[in-house]
Amino acid sequence: DAGVTQSPTHLIKTRGQQVTLRCSPKSGHDTVSWYQQALGQGPQFIFQYYEEEERQRGNFPDRFSGHQYPNYSSELNVNALLLGDSALYLCASSLSLGVVETQYFGPGTRLLVL
Amino acid sequence: AQKVTQAQTEISVVEKEDVTLDCVYETRDTTYYLFWYKQPPSGELVFLIRRNSFDEQNEISGRYSWNFQKSTSSFNFTITASQVVDSAVYFCALILNTGTASKLTFGTGTRLQVTL
Repeated sequence: DAGVTQSPTHLIKTRGQQVTLRCSPKSGHDTVSWYQQALGQGPQFIFQYYEEEERQRGNFPDRFSGHQYPNYSSELNVNALLLGDSALYLCASSLSLGVVETQYFGPGTRLLVL
Repeated sequence: AQKVTQAQTEISVVEKEDVTLDCVYETRDTTYYLFWYKQPPSGELVFLIRRNSFDEQNEISGRYSWNFQKSTSSFNFTITASQVVDSAVYFCALILNTGTASKLTFGTGTRLQVTL
């Protein structure tokens, strides 16, 4: 049973560039959430996608956008990168059954902005 | 708004010692879910346990046990006879039952270092 996968594992960008991170959910899951984890901090919720729509959004600027495809995989896009965007980006998947379901995380993408 | 506090930033123990990781949460909702995740150096968050607000029964799973007390808004995690493989950052998290989306609110984590 394949777990959550993310690509790439590491990424180095420069300020002002744009980046796309990808996530494939655990088999059978239909919901994808994205989190940003700065060094030494707990993960912070960016947004959640279900049925190809953004269902909820955390306190992140519009530079952060996403997409979910019919196969439930998802992308996180960040435009106009800032140094402060350097972090571990975690994707989590779950199954929406009308109640709170456990979110399972992928290994993350480590983004470094120079 | 909800909040999770993990006051212990870092704990160091010698192998075979017992260790308790504290978690205190804040929410005005009566229905919510609490979680513990483990984050080894590889970075992936590993799910350990979930509890809903109506289930205060403590749980034991091997060397791991959890103590949920609504009266003190705490959900503490104890590792018995710790092992080097337990070294990781442990996060406590909270989800409110909003009926639609569900976002995890994490604490800042407790780094556990187990040495020989």
